[in-house]
Amino acid sequence: DGGITQSPKYLFRKEGQNVTLSCEQNLNHDAMYWYRQDPGQGLRLIYYSQIVNDFQKGDIAEGYSVSREKKESFPLTVTSAQKNPTAFYLCASSIGTIRTDTQYFGPGTRLTVL
Amino acid sequence: AQSVSQHNHHVILSEAASLELGCNYSYGGTVNLFWYVQYPGQHLQLLLKYFSGDPLVKGIKGFEAEFIKSKFSFNLRKPSVQWSDTAEYFCAVIGGYQKVTFGTGTKLQVIP
Repeated sequence: DGGITQSPKYLFRKEGQNVTLSCEQNLNHDAMYWYRQDPGQGLRLIYYSQIVNDFQKGDIAEGYSVSREKKESFPLTVTSAQKNPTAFYLCASSIGTIRTDTQYFGPGTRLTVL
Repeated sequence: AQSVSQHNHHVILSEAASLELGCNYSYGGTVNLFWYVQYPGQHLQLLLKYFSGDPLVKGIKGFEAEFIKSKFSFNLRKPSVQWSDTAEYFCAVIGGYQKVTFGTGTKLQVIP
């Protein structure tokens, strides 16, 4: 089955530790995205990548980093600089441009920093 | 700054009732508009989208939305809801500089 996988579903980390969230897609999509969702708030874009080895900051990139070494993978690292990292993180992909293409979402990872 | 408002946070309807979920955005330029839905236990998925042309767009499962440029609105409608429409609905706008903004979502509960 084609789709987007995110692992793990739940993740717990101690404060001050960096943590990397995995996102893999086998849809052969060029573009990939990371969003953060907090209770009562919409999805907020953290980073996006339209092609391999290229990515752009979204609205709330501070305290996060990404890489796009392979078309199918777009891992997100939540660094210790992120002031409030506990949240639900969603990865998405689309065929091409962010402007017009439908985004396909993964199941999400719930990160809790203790 | 670009923003999206979904005024209804939680809507409860009986089956066969009509549905209208509000979505208003603030951006002065050309926009692309989306409605996404998340059914319980499932991933977010596209319901419908508007880029240009006929402002009344039809999506999956009998949903439609109307783009009213003068009101900066893109409300979602369905004439008769079913229990299976119970889900959370998100409006999204893409405006300048490929900036995507999602609304806070509306939880719809349909009572059989």
